[in-house]
Amino acid sequence: EVQLEESGGGLVKSGGSLRLSCVASGFIFSNFWMNWVRQAPGKGLEWVASINGDSKYKYYAASVRGRFTISRDNAENSLFLQLTSLSVEDAALYYCARSYRSGMDIWGQGTTVNVSS
Amino acid sequence: EIILTQSPTTLSLSPGERATLTCRASSSVTNFVAWYQQKPGQAPRLLLYDASDRAAGVPARFSASGSGTDFTLTISSLEAEDVAMYYCQQRGSPVASFGGGTKVEIK
Repeated sequence: EVQLEESGGGLVKSGGSLRLSCVASGFIFSNFWMNWVRQAPGKGLEWVASINGDSKYKYYAASVRGRFTISRDNAENSLFLQLTSLSVEDAALYYCARSYRSGMDIWGQGTTVNVSS
Repeated sequence: EIILTQSPTTLSLSPGERATLTCRASSSVTNFVAWYQQKPGQAPRLLLYDASDRAAGVPARFSASGSGTDFTLTISSLEAEDVAMYYCQQRGSPVASFGGGTKVEIK
């Protein structure tokens, strides 16, 4: 079964750091662009970052550029998001998602990041 | 950064009616647009990609069209199970983005 499972969320103080992980199964992970998308409570979806299969290309939303770093380990079928300099505005449910053509066809259930002031 | 504006914010229709949702981009995204359905407590579900291609398992009542800056999602005959938030998303630039969403309700 094709699936993604996120972990690593939690409660962190403003200015702190956190590392999110996403483990993929059921498909050839290295063949796909991967993404992080977040959703603040009661709000819409916000694309955060994308990375291509060999990690050569990485793109970020303006709101996180310079603070967040996307990476992957194809040998471990894993995607990561390093979050630093966190603020309350970063509190959200963070999803990892697989790219397919112009969309994202496989999503995990998300991991929650809470930031206290 | 390309901004996507969805309208209306909320759409309230009776079962069997046609639902038309729009998504406008601040600059051309060619046909690199996808649409998602999200129900409460669930992850988003890809409905259509590349502006008009239906994803696997998506009912035929969902269709989409558009190119450049203007895109439309149509639900031909609304069913109770279609109550959800709907989001458009562009990949016309390396920096992707989502629209603010349209809430579809049953009247």
